[in-house]
Amino acid sequence: QITLKESGPTPVRPTQTLTLTCTFSGFSVSFSSVGVGWVRQPPGKALEWLALSYWSDDARYNPSLKSRLTITMDTSQNQVVLRMTNMDPVDTGTYYCVHVVSQRFQHWGQGTQITVSS
Amino acid sequence: EIVLTQSPGTLSLSPGERATLSCRASQSVDSSYVAWYQQKPGRAPRLLIYGASARAPDIPDRFSGSGSGTDFTLTISRLEPGDFAVYHCQQYGSSPITFGQGTRLE
Repeated sequence: QITLKESGPTPVRPTQTLTLTCTFSGFSVSFSSVGVGWVRQPPGKALEWLALSYWSDDARYNPSLKSRLTITMDTSQNQVVLRMTNMDPVDTGTYYCVHVVSQRFQHWGQGTQITVSS
Repeated sequence: EIVLTQSPGTLSLSPGERATLSCRASQSVDSSYVAWYQQKPGRAPRLLIYGASARAPDIPDRFSGSGSGTDFTLTISRLEPGDFAVYHCQQYGSSPITFGQGTRLE
């Protein structure tokens, strides 16, 4: 059974750096077509892809947010960490971790609610 | 960036009826890289269709996808009560990966 679980702090203060951790199980990222990514959804709005990482240190970012994002994978811990700098209230929303297979988002974590507020 | 526009914004139907949801891309998309997701309130999205027409595991054959170029369609042949949700289309063949704004099926 494939599972992904997100964890992260809330609330987050404006200008702070957000660190989100995805702990996954039930699949291996040792295949070139398998990776882990992040998607967010502001309240009542559309889904937005943020970043994804494949085993071979192949990290990809949404160009609109690339300067603020860093994604890293720790295969020994089955974890993927996303860091987002300079948080703002517009970054409030639900952040999802996703299991990526051949670039499609095959499985999703339950999501973690992130609120940015002073 | 490829912008995906879904229509209608809200679709009002009854159980047993047929639903047709549209997703139009701002430029041509390789149909191998178009997906549809279902999202229920307070839940994560669930993959329904990938490669424009392939059903994900455990997805009933009431759900079907079609299309090419800039126009893609999700069809639900006979609506069941559990099908009323928000549906998102996605293209994942061109960076950045983008989603439509969603169609609410009520």
